Amino acid sequence: KNEVEQSPQNLTAQEGEFITINCSYSVGISALHWLQQHPGGGIVSLFMLSSGKKKHGRLIATINIQEKHSSLHITASHPRDSAVYICAVRQGGSEKLVFGKGMKLTVNP
Amino acid sequence: NAGVTQTPKFRILKIGQSMTLQCAQDMNHNYMYWYRQDPGMGLKLIYYSVGAGITDKGEVPNGYNVSRSTTEDFPLRLELAAPSQTSVYFCASSERGVGAKNIQYFGAGTRLSVL
Repeated sequence: KNEVEQSPQNLTAQEGEFITINCSYSVGISALHWLQQHPGGGIVSLFMLSSGKKKHGRLIATINIQEKHSSLHITASHPRDSAVYICAVRQGGSEKLVFGKGMKLTVNP
Repeated sequence: NAGVTQTPKFRILKIGQSMTLQCAQDMNHNYMYWYRQDPGMGLKLIYYSVGAGITDKGEVPNGYNVSRSTTEDFPLRLELAAPSQTSVYFCASSERGVGAKNIQYFGAGTRLSVL
């Protein structure tokens, strides 16, 4: 079993839909990261969370430490949101990130 | 703002050849990382560095070497390239410590094929 599991693996949505991407992890963590990988391959950090919720524009990230679960929400989705969304966790005391396999999102106009 | 710069973008190697993947950052970050990304798999950490002169192994270090002589540069060396090293390689950097953002900034990646 992977330490970081993301669901669903692929998601196709229509422009304007509300999207939720899930991440579950099986180890104790000090932080969780959400990243976006563009179709061209570039990777951008979106959020780093250790508790609660963060919001940036149309993106909202939440984490529930007790349930070992995080969600990334996209409101009013747009075709430019099409990308692979990656969840990664930093285990307590470690310098290393453990990455999920990513979820490919396609938003159709 | 250059951020994290990786060179080359693409490279084809023959089995047994060696090469160095270059990575440079201009943000004065103390931490730097090398990852590989295989199709359908999550990023795997190869090596990382917490500052000039200090490096440590990640999850998949075999077949690679690194050095960190300056804060800016963190080259990854492949000796005796093997087909299993065909992958996309990403370099990243971050500022770690009290009050730091702890966010990793990624280079554009190097696509390497070993034939």
